[in-house]
Amino acid sequence: DAGVTQSPTHLIKTRGQQVTLRCSPKSGHDTVSWYQQALGQGPQFIFQYYEEEERQRGNFPDRFSGHQFPNYSSELNVNALLLGDSALYLCASSLGQGPGNQPQHFGDGTRLSIL
Amino acid sequence: GESVGLHLPTLSVQEGDNSIINCAYSNSASDYFIWYKQESGKGPQFIIDIRSNMDKRQGQRVTVLLNKTVKHLSLQIAATQPGDSAVYFCAEISNDYKLSFGAGTTVTVRA
Repeated sequence: DAGVTQSPTHLIKTRGQQVTLRCSPKSGHDTVSWYQQALGQGPQFIFQYYEEEERQRGNFPDRFSGHQFPNYSSELNVNALLLGDSALYLCASSLGQGPGNQPQHFGDGTRLSIL
Repeated sequence: GESVGLHLPTLSVQEGDNSIINCAYSNSASDYFIWYKQESGKGPQFIIDIRSNMDKRQGQRVTVLLNKTVKHLSLQIAATQPGDSAVYFCAEISNDYKLSFGAGTTVTVRA
């Protein structure tokens, strides 16, 4: 039973570029959430996708956008990259959108470095 | 500021002793709490959860206590092992479905 998988594992970009990160949820899960984790901090919620729509959003600018596909996989896109976007980006999946339906299962993240 | 936080950023514990990690939250509307463990280079790993209608829940070597009166959550690890060394996060979910994390406590197990 495959867990949450993310790609790539590491990525280096320069300021102003755009990046796309990918996530495949755990088998049987239909909801995907994205988090940003700066070094030494807890993960910060970016947004959640359910039924191919963004359902909830954290305090992140419009430069951060996403998509969910019919097979429940998801992408996170970040435009006009800033140095402060350097972080570990985590994807989590769960079954159902409602709170407490299932604990979220996390992937090992994509380490994004902005030069 | 953050709605979920931990009392201590670091905890050093002797192998075999019990560990207690504390967490304070401020959102009284939160109804579901989760403890995660994050090892270096890995994503957060689910440990145990508890709903707001419960005071205590036990798992394998772990117990979570919830005190809603003072908005306090704790994780107790029995007979701490070297493999328990990691960063531990408490997280809460309120009715907006967002999972909010605290800053984490780094647990180091001494041999």
